[in-house]
Amino acid sequence: GEDVEQSLFLSVREGDSSVINCTYTDSSSTYLYWYKQEPGAGLQLLTYIFSNMDMKQDQRLTVLLNKKDKHLSLRIADTQTGDSAIYFCAESGSNTGKLIFGQGTTLQVKP
Amino acid sequence: DTGVSQDPRHKITKRGQNVTFRCDPISEHNRLYWYRQTLGQGPEFLTYFQNEAQLEKSRLLSDRFSAERPKGSFSTLEIQRTEQGDSAMYLCASSFLTGDSYNEQFFGPGTRLTVL
Repeated sequence: GEDVEQSLFLSVREGDSSVINCTYTDSSSTYLYWYKQEPGAGLQLLTYIFSNMDMKQDQRLTVLLNKKDKHLSLRIADTQTGDSAIYFCAESGSNTGKLIFGQGTTLQVKP
Repeated sequence: DTGVSQDPRHKITKRGQNVTFRCDPISEHNRLYWYRQTLGQGPEFLTYFQNEAQLEKSRLLSDRFSAERPKGSFSTLEIQRTEQGDSAMYLCASSFLTGDSYNEQFFGPGTRLTVL
């Protein structure tokens, strides 16, 4: 069945790059998404990538997709304390558009 | 438009009681989704509507759960005879389906349910 897995925790120093990894099982996924969740706030879409792309860059965010290995990563350059949050990767492949989320990676940014 | 709103934000109830949550999507969004998120986990899909039609329900949605979207705008999620295991954050999201399969979902702030 569909499954998405992420590492649970990442700690970096302010100014460093952060890399959050995700693996998924559904090879029919057409879009893969990264969402951010801050305490008390709703899920916010950060970026997405279409399955026929290898890389997408959006300001400080770089998404890499290895479709053969079903591996997705999110790189945040020059990580700031405001980037501290839980990051979820999600896949969507069916016509329903329903999202299958990983369990989330907590990013801690130390000053 | 102020985005997706949910009401109430918090609900505390006793086991066995019925609860109802409301979601107001972004206007003109034709798809509406319900997810459930427990502590330390990602959101899990429960059900979704396209306009007023409920098109898919997860196996997570037992017969104690019912959802409606009567006029294709707001939606309600009702849980009957609540159990402690129902304690979670219930998230609503809406999107506008285009011809492409890209489906950006906008999430509401959620309703946190605590069953005592």
